[in-house]
Amino acid sequence: DIQMTQSPSSLSASVGDRVTITCRASQGISTSLSWYQQKPGQAPKLLLYGASTLESGVPSRFSGSGSGTDFTLTITSLQPEDFATYYCQQFYLTPYTFGQGTKLEIK
Amino acid sequence: EVQLVESGGGLVTPGGSLRLSCAASGFTFSSYSMNWVRQAPGKGLEWVSSISSRSRDIDYADSVKGRFTISRDNAKNSLYLEMSSLGVDDTAVYYCARDRLRWQLWGQGTLVTVSS
Repeated sequence: DIQMTQSPSSLSASVGDRVTITCRASQGISTSLSWYQQKPGQAPKLLLYGASTLESGVPSRFSGSGSGTDFTLTITSLQPEDFATYYCQQFYLTPYTFGQGTKLEIK
Repeated sequence: EVQLVESGGGLVTPGGSLRLSCAASGFTFSSYSMNWVRQAPGKGLEWVSSISSRSRDIDYADSVKGRFTISRDNAKNSLYLEMSSLGVDDTAVYYCARDRLRWQLWGQGTLVTVSS
């Protein structure tokens, strides 16, 4: 199975900050990666797919990059509604494994 | 409205069985692969199973293989997950999600609790 390792596991930041979350795959997955945002009691929301393609309706302050084994999710100018948990997921091979999540909290 | 609505969750004793459903509306269900994902209380997301649009390709996580069966009825716009030999580790919110590589549509989830 492909292991997805996110870092950090948690992150404190302030409104207006720029934050970066990384996701590392245990083997190359090309750009077969998605990023999700999840708030308590809600289903995950797709932010980016194909590693860097922004899902329709998602604010442009979210961006993604990477290919192979190393990926990043960047949020520029954090807004209050961005405080949530973020997950990466690989689609290169089944099982479609997720990272363990990064909880983004307000400082 | 384009949506997925899960149902069928509830309390079941260890060793028991349960059938989850996911009703699709607002889009051409038969054109999309579908997936089940679960999330144990306070934990991360775990992919459970996927099925292609015409049920030709089916995959399961090792943790559920041999116990869970995914199926779909395109005439009824519905996805199913038949779960048997349930254990406490299967306690989770179960979500259905649409598509093979771009999971942009999710249901609200249905809670399955396995407890004696």
